[in-house]
Order: sequence, then structure tokens, then C-alpha cells
Amino acid sequence: EAQVTQNPRYLITVTGKKLTVTCSQNMNHEYMSWYRQDPGLGLRQIYYSMNVEVTDKGDVPEGYKVSRKEKRNFPLILESPSPNQTSLYFCASRALRGGADTQYFGPGTRLTVL
Amino acid sequence: AQSVSQHNHHVILSEAASLELGCNYSYGGTVNLFWYVQYPGQHLQLLLKYFSGDPLVKGIKGFEAEFIKSKFSFNLRKPSVQWSDTAEYFCAVNVGNTGKLIFGQGTTLQVKP
Repeated sequence: EAQVTQNPRYLITVTGKKLTVTCSQNMNHEYMSWYRQDPGLGLRQIYYSMNVEVTDKGDVPEGYKVSRKEKRNFPLILESPSPNQTSLYFCASRALRGGADTQYFGPGTRLTVL
Repeated sequence: AQSVSQHNHHVILSEAASLELGCNYSYGGTVNLFWYVQYPGQHLQLLLKYFSGDPLVKGIKGFEAEFIKSKFSFNLRKPSVQWSDTAEYFCAVNVGNTGKLIFGQGTTLQVKP
């Protein structure tokens, strides 16, 4: 079954404690991205990756890092989380074929930073 | 900068009422348009999409949307809503052939039984 998986699904942490949210897709997609969802703001892109070892900033990259060492995985790293990073995070992937294609979203990770 | 605007933030309807959710985008070039739905506690699911061709597109669960290029709009419609349609709805635009989706703020739909 084609899918994007994220772990953990729920996480409560404290300010400054480094954390990683994993994302994995089984569709051999080149493009992967991270979004955060906040009430009244919709989804905003944090980082994206066009392929292995190719990453770039989205609209709200401050406080986040990513890496793309393998095609299937795209972890999101918060080196020193702060309360304003409390949010719902979605990973997404899509193929980079000739035309536009549909993005597949993971189930979401609800992060609370105290 | 490109942006997507959803006019209705919170809509409350009774079952069997008709639904129309507005979506406008700001970009003059080629766009691909999407509506996603997020049921309570679940992840985003694609409702329908427009890439080219017939501007009236039909999606799952009886939803449809009409792309009106002159108005930069992509409104979502359903003739008769059900309680199970209670969810948050997001309009999104993919500009050119990039992978980035620009989302609207979302509309929360509450359907009363």
C-alpha cells in the first residue's frame, strides 16, 4: 500500500530538548516536504527536498533542520525546540514526473513544547 | 507572492443543505488546484484536483469544484451535505511545476444532523 508514515504521532517535550520526527515513503518519490498546520494559518511549508542530498527552505524554516540521505526518508530535526513550535506537522511526498502530480500526506505528528 | 484565500472560516449547515466554499488564488500563470479534506483526528486526503481540461471537476463523496480562470477562483460545491462531511477543508495551489503547495487558511464545516 502506497503511504507516507511519520513517527511519533504525538510528542510532548520541553524547551531545548532536541527531537527528531521521522518521515518515510514507499512510493519512490523524489520530492518530499514538511508542513506545519496552525489554526487560522492553514499549512505552511517548512523545508522541502527535490531528491537525495538536495534540500531547501520553505516559508517557515527557522528553528528546523532536515536531511535527505536516502530517497525514502526525510526526517525533521528540532535542535532546540521552543513553545512556538507547538503545532501539527505533516510530511508529504510526490513524484517529479513531467506534469504536476498529487502529493500524499502522512498522518501528522502533534508536537507540544512546554 | 502567490497566495490562496478561503473566504469562509467556519460554516455551519444542516444536513441536506447545499454547500459552496470559496477559494481564490493570486497568480497569473499556470496553476494546478486542489481541495483537501481533513476529518477530525485524521490526515489530509485529496478531495479533487484540477490540472487542465474541463474546468468543472468531480471528486470523491459527491464534491465538485469549478475553476474560473478569469476570477482566479476554484470554489468547492456539494448539492446536499451529510453529517459525515463535518471536517476542515483546504484549498491549495501548485504553481508551475514545482512541488510546493500553497494552502489557504482552511474552512471548518460543521454539519448538524
